[in-house]
Amino acid sequence: DIQMTQSPSSLSASVGDSITITCRASQPILSYLNWYQQKPGTAPKLLMSAASNLHSGVPSRFSGSGSGTDFTLTISSLQREDFATYYCQQSHTAPPTFGGGTKVDIK
Amino acid sequence: QVQLQESGPGLVRPSQTLSLTCSVSGSSVKSGSYYWTWIRQSAGKGLEWIGRIYVSGDTNYNPSLKSRVTISLDTSKNQFSLKLTSVSAADTAVYFCARRNFWNSFPIFDYWGQGALVTVSP
Repeated sequence: DIQMTQSPSSLSASVGDSITITCRASQPILSYLNWYQQKPGTAPKLLMSAASNLHSGVPSRFSGSGSGTDFTLTISSLQREDFATYYCQQSHTAPPTFGGGTKVDIK
Repeated sequence: QVQLQESGPGLVRPSQTLSLTCSVSGSSVKSGSYYWTWIRQSAGKGLEWIGRIYVSGDTNYNPSLKSRVTISLDTSKNQFSLKLTSVSAADTAVYFCARRNFWNSFPIFDYWGQGALVTVSP
């Protein structure tokens, strides 16, 4: 299976900050990388597909980049509703696998 | 709008069979555009893909669970189901059903159920 490694595992930030989360795949996955946001007690919600394509309705302060093995999710000007856990997921090779998550909480 | 809803027992005894059903509304399990998927989330293993089923009945399972998993489809009820046999405490998790779609040929999980907590305990 392809291992997905996220860093950091958690971070604290303030409203208005810009943050970047990194995801690394154990082997090349082209751009077959999705990002999800999960809030406590709810299902993951799709934010981004194909590494950099914003899903419908997702604010433009979210952006993604990367290809191959290294990817980033950036949130510029954090809003209160962005405090959540973020997961990357590869869809290049079966079985699809997820990163361990990055919890973003309020400083 | 598309909605998925898991249902089934919240407590299963060790060595027994876990059974969950996902009821779908706003989308048809008979559509050839989607795969219908089960994913679980536990504190120990994070998010783990269990398997999927297509309208044809074709299934794919995670090799780590393949010997114990069966996913089936009920097109008359617009539902799909999960059975996991010989459960142990390691199978305690929140189980999600999800729709696997594509965006420009890139696979995505675009709709998820709210999740069902299943605890394996004597």
